[in-house]
Amino acid sequence: DAGVTQSPTHLIKTRGQHVTLRCSPISGHKSVSWYQQVLGQGPQFIFQYYEKEERGRGNFPDRFSARQFPNYSSELNVNALLLGDSALYLCASSYTSGRDTGELFFGEGSRLTVL
Amino acid sequence: RKEVEQDPGPFNVPEGATVAFNCTYSNSASQSFFWYRQDCRKEPKLLMSVYSSGNEDGRFTAQLNRASQYISLLIRDSKLSDSATYLCVVNTDPRSYNTDKLIFGTGTRLQVFP
Repeated sequence: DAGVTQSPTHLIKTRGQHVTLRCSPISGHKSVSWYQQVLGQGPQFIFQYYEKEERGRGNFPDRFSARQFPNYSSELNVNALLLGDSALYLCASSYTSGRDTGELFFGEGSRLTVL
Repeated sequence: RKEVEQDPGPFNVPEGATVAFNCTYSNSASQSFFWYRQDCRKEPKLLMSVYSSGNEDGRFTAQLNRASQYISLLIRDSKLSDSATYLCVVNTDPRSYNTDKLIFGTGTRLQVFP
């Protein structure tokens, strides 16, 4: 069975540019979350979407936005990139918000480098 | 104060050793607790949930002390393959297992040497 898939796996951008990261959850999972992991730190929550609606937002600026599509895949968009946005962006899916066991299934991440 | 704090690490231990990781959380309303494992340059994966009564899974034992807001993970008979970063994760949502509110600690790195 396919796990959570993310694309691209690696990308390099320059300051001020925009980036779109994509995620496909495990089949049957309706909840998708996005996390940012800076080197040496734990994952930090950015967004959660369930049934195409935003269910939670972490402490990130408005430059960060996301959406979920009818097939439950998701996109994370970051505008006006800063050097500090360089990180591993992890997408995670779970069965159903409110019914799951608390386990998140992570993709391998998209490693963003901003120069 | 961080919502979830862990031992700084790294922990360097020989094979066969017993090692313990500690974690404290600040939100007394937290309902569920987990340990995730993250290998170098890989994604985090659930190691085990932590229950109030404590729970064991093979060489791994997790304990929860709600009064002290403290979670621990004990690894017995360490293997080379246990080398990884161990992330303490707390769910601050009162609805218990909702994955909206998972807060990750910074992680503690374990290196097991021959």
